[in-house]
Amino acid sequence: EAGVAQSPRYKIIEKRQSVAFWCNPISGHATLYWYQQILGQGPKLLIQFQNNGVVDDSQLPKDRFSAERLKGVDSTLKIQPAKLEDSAVYLCASSSRDRTVYEQYFGPGTRLTVT
Amino acid sequence: KQEVTQIPAALSVPEGENLVLNCSFTDSAIYNLQWFRQDPGKGLTSLLLIQSSQREQTSGRLNASLDKSSGRSTLYIAASQPGDSATYLCAVNQAGTALIFGKGTTLSVSS
Repeated sequence: EAGVAQSPRYKIIEKRQSVAFWCNPISGHATLYWYQQILGQGPKLLIQFQNNGVVDDSQLPKDRFSAERLKGVDSTLKIQPAKLEDSAVYLCASSSRDRTVYEQYFGPGTRLTVT
Repeated sequence: KQEVTQIPAALSVPEGENLVLNCSFTDSAIYNLQWFRQDPGKGLTSLLLIQSSQREQTSGRLNASLDKSSGRSTLYIAASQPGDSATYLCAVNQAGTALIFGKGTTLSVSS
């Protein structure tokens, strides 16, 4: 079974530029999460999707961050314009309700550096 | 608001030692507790998942216990090896919700 795929793996941009990240979850997983992990911290939720609907985006900085999940499969996360404090690893995860376990599986992450 | 704390923040041990990593959470109304491993510059690898009705899970040299009523979990690593060097993250959630993570324990095992 293929895992969660993310691209790109690394991205360096200047502040005020825009950037987009892509995530392809495990096949059949209805729930998709985007987390932000700042150096030395644990990951924090940005947004959670159930199929193509938003479940929780309470911690998403909506003035600059946006995310979508078209057709309930792939998802993109966009930052526009980027700030220095957006430098972090962006992790995508997916989960299934099978067996009511709700275990989350993570992709390799995208490391963003804003200069 | 759920908060997860991990102690110690860093740990250095010689190869072969048995060690314990600690995780505590403030709200005992959890559904799952997961332990992850993160290597530098990498994503998260799930090590063990304990459901709220369970007391422990084992995988190879790893054993995780859960005391839901006291809000604590421990990850026991037996006979540590240099390859175990990584950051270990503890996280909890409600059914179907996002995980809330601690800051992690960075482990260094010397040969």
